[in-house]
Amino acid sequence: DAGVIQSPRHEVTEMGQEVTLRCKPISGHNSLFWYRQTMMRGLELLIYFNNNVPIDDSGMPEDRFSAKMPNASFSTLKIQPSEPRDSAVYFCASSSGGLAGTDTQYFGPGTRLTVL
Amino acid sequence: DAKTTQPPSMDCAEGRAANLPCNHSTISGNEYVYWYRQIHSQGPQYIIHGLKNNETNEMASLIITEDRKSSTLILPHATLRDTAVYYCIVRRSGSARQLTFGSGTQLTVLP
Repeated sequence: DAGVIQSPRHEVTEMGQEVTLRCKPISGHNSLFWYRQTMMRGLELLIYFNNNVPIDDSGMPEDRFSAKMPNASFSTLKIQPSEPRDSAVYFCASSSGGLAGTDTQYFGPGTRLTVL
Repeated sequence: DAKTTQPPSMDCAEGRAANLPCNHSTISGNEYVYWYRQIHSQGPQYIIHGLKNNETNEMASLIITEDRKSSTLILPHATLRDTAVYYCIVRRSGSARQLTFGSGTQLTVLP
């Protein structure tokens, strides 16, 4: 199993540009999570999907952020326009979201975003 | 989810057992104890979880006290690659919900 796959691993862009982060969850998992990690705020949840449907997007900072999950094997997190304060490491995680107490989340390697 | 308390940092000699404590005195009966770790610049890595029985896997052992108010993660033979921040998380299972990471314990394995 390849685990959760994220791309790109590093992204450097200029303020005002559109940024798209991509995630492929573990095959068979039906829940997907986008987290952001900064030194100041630690690891915080942005949004999560269950069966491709957004369940909770209360952590999305503002309208500049949007996330989609068009199918069970792909999700995107888009920032438009990007700002320097968006610089962070963005993690995607997936889980089987089961009822048996085994909905362990598995994280991808992250995308390190730098907005100049 | 119940709040957890962990020491901010610990050292351990390479080859020795690392015992990482976690207090969760307000844990409810349907809440599990999860342990994750994060090695610098990598994504959080799942280690182990349990409800009330002690658990062991290829990475670690989890010892939960009988009253479930505290637990200990044991790395039986720590290596330099185990240097990381270790997070103890208490959460209900049964539905997809976020993980709430606290500040964790920085474990440094010394040669």
